[in-house]
Amino acid sequence: QKEVEQNSGPLSVPEGAIASLNCTYSDRGSQSFFWYRQYSGKSPELIMSIYSNGDKEDGRFTAQLNKASQYVSLLIRDSQPSDSATYLCALLPGGYQKVTFGTGTKLQVIP
Amino acid sequence: DVKVTQSSRYLVKRTGEKVFLECVQDMDHENMFWYRQDPGLGLRLIYFSYDVKMKEKGDIPEGYSVSREKKERFSLILESASTNQTSMYLCASSGRLLAGSYEQYFGPGTRLTVT
Repeated sequence: QKEVEQNSGPLSVPEGAIASLNCTYSDRGSQSFFWYRQYSGKSPELIMSIYSNGDKEDGRFTAQLNKASQYVSLLIRDSQPSDSATYLCALLPGGYQKVTFGTGTKLQVIP
Repeated sequence: DVKVTQSSRYLVKRTGEKVFLECVQDMDHENMFWYRQDPGLGLRLIYFSYDVKMKEKGDIPEGYSVSREKKERFSLILESASTNQTSMYLCASSGRLLAGSYEQYFGPGTRLTVT
């Protein structure tokens, strides 16, 4: 089982809709979780980090963490074509200093 | 704002050449990382360093070495470049784990082509 699993997509949503990106993980000891956005040909850019169960909101982005069910999600409200990118889920496994990345979900926002 | 810079955006080298990729961060971060990213394989950790002159192997260290002589600078060395090292190379830095946050910040990447 992969440490971090993401559906590769593409996930297509119409402009203005809510995009929901999901990530599951296997290490129950994981404490820190991150979402990165990566445009084609560019480097990953940190969007949000979340450390405790529940929701964390930042502008149009909401990260949700459920440690009991071992998933973390990213909601993008009022999706814009400029949100079209690959979104990487990442986490810090328990006891390690090396972040583990998922392979990413490609999001397409259709105008 | 955290700034991580890499010495080149694009690089073309010949098989067998020694290649140096340099990374500099301006946030006084303790940890620095080198990844490569290939389609379908995601980000793979090559080496990381948690302090000056300290280094640890990542998941795919074969064919690479690193150097960290100063806190802000982390170099990746391809001792004898091969075509299977053609890839996007990404440098990242982060603060110390016990500081309570561990966000990694990436440089712009170096797209290396080995011919």
